[in-house]
Amino acid sequence: DAGVIQSPRHEVTEMGQEVTLRCKPISGHNSLFWYRQTMMRGLELLIYFNNNVPIDDSGMPEDRFSAKMPNASFSTLKIQPSEPRDSAVYFCASSFARDRQFFGPGTRLTVL
Amino acid sequence: DAKTTQPPSMDCAEGRAANLPCNHSTISGNEYVYWYRQIHSQGPQYIIHGLKNNETNEMASLIITEDRKSSTLILPHATLRDTAVYYCIVRVGGGADGLTFGKGTHLIIQP
Repeated sequence: DAGVIQSPRHEVTEMGQEVTLRCKPISGHNSLFWYRQTMMRGLELLIYFNNNVPIDDSGMPEDRFSAKMPNASFSTLKIQPSEPRDSAVYFCASSFARDRQFFGPGTRLTVL
Repeated sequence: DAKTTQPPSMDCAEGRAANLPCNHSTISGNEYVYWYRQIHSQGPQYIIHGLKNNETNEMASLIITEDRKSSTLILPHATLRDTAVYYCIVRVGGGADGLTFGKGTHLIIQP
């Protein structure tokens, strides 16, 4: 199994631009999670899906952030417009049947 | 989820057992203790979890005190590749929700 796949691995963009991060969970997993990691705040849960349905988005910082999961094998996290304070490493994770979570390698986002 | 307390950093000599403590004095009866680690620049990795009995797998052992208010993760023969931040997380068993990460313990394995 290839594990959780995230793309791009690195993204550099300018303030005000739209950013889309992508995630392919492990085949057969029915839960998907988006986390953000910064030096100041550590690892934070942004949103998670069960069976493609968003369950809890209380960790999404503001309306500029949105996430979708159109099918069981794909999810996106979009930031529009992006700001320098959004610079962070964004991790996607998936799990099956409420078991352990498997994390992807992360996307390092830099907003100039 | 119950809150956990871990030392910010620890050193261990290569080849020795690394013992990482975690306090979770407010743990509830239906909450499990999970351990994850994050090697530099990588995503977190699951290590082990348990409810009240000691657990062992190919990566580590987990010792939970009888009152369940604290636990210890044991890496029996630490290698340089075990240098990482180790997170102790308490959560309801079978919970499908996300993980709440604290600051963890930065374990440094010395050659």
